[in-house]
Amino acid sequence: GAGVSQSPSNKVTEKGKDVELRCDPISGHTALYWYRQRLGQGLEFLIYFQGNSAPDKSGLPSDRFSAERTGESVSTLTIQRTQQEDSAVYLCASSLGLFQETQYFGPGTRLLVL
Amino acid sequence: SQKIEQNSEALNIQEGKTATLTCNYTNYSPAYLQWYRQDPGRGPVFLLLIRENEKEKRKERLKVTFDTTLKQSLFHITASQPADSATYLCALDNTDKLIFGTGTRLQVFP
Repeated sequence: GAGVSQSPSNKVTEKGKDVELRCDPISGHTALYWYRQRLGQGLEFLIYFQGNSAPDKSGLPSDRFSAERTGESVSTLTIQRTQQEDSAVYLCASSLGLFQETQYFGPGTRLLVL
Repeated sequence: SQKIEQNSEALNIQEGKTATLTCNYTNYSPAYLQWYRQDPGRGPVFLLLIRENEKEKRKERLKVTFDTTLKQSLFHITASQPADSATYLCALDNTDKLIFGTGTRLQVFP
């Protein structure tokens, strides 16, 4: 399959622990985005990467959140010292270009912080 | 303040009828607007994009309109089928970001 993949699909963690979420974009897509979706809510933009440009981190809710991307491939979203309000589905998407193009979403990682 | 509003109440319609979903926005000036479909437990899937200079866009049974004066987009599904049941999200560009609405859940019953 050539779609966007994310791992793990589900993650349960205890408050205060760190978690790392992974996204594999579609090959050849230069833009990669992370979103958060709380239950019954819309998608909340977190961060995007476009080629070799500096990422736009303006959507990250706190300094506990960080993300990295290796070239135009895998990205990891790290949440340090997790809180219960971090519980949500974290969605990754990729596109050929920046926003002007269709975004292709992965299935998401469902994070539950106890 | 900037807002994107979609009807939070579910839309229930009978199979064969036309479903119409609304997306209203305030204090944005988008160059384009997109509609996505999201099924439970899955990521959104892109359906249609309409640009600010386009009044209407069609794709098979789907039709989207974009009125920049009313600041509104309408999303129509004609001859609706139970398989069309899902949550539909609108999204618009804001400078260099895509802003999503909360979505409207559509339920098509036989």
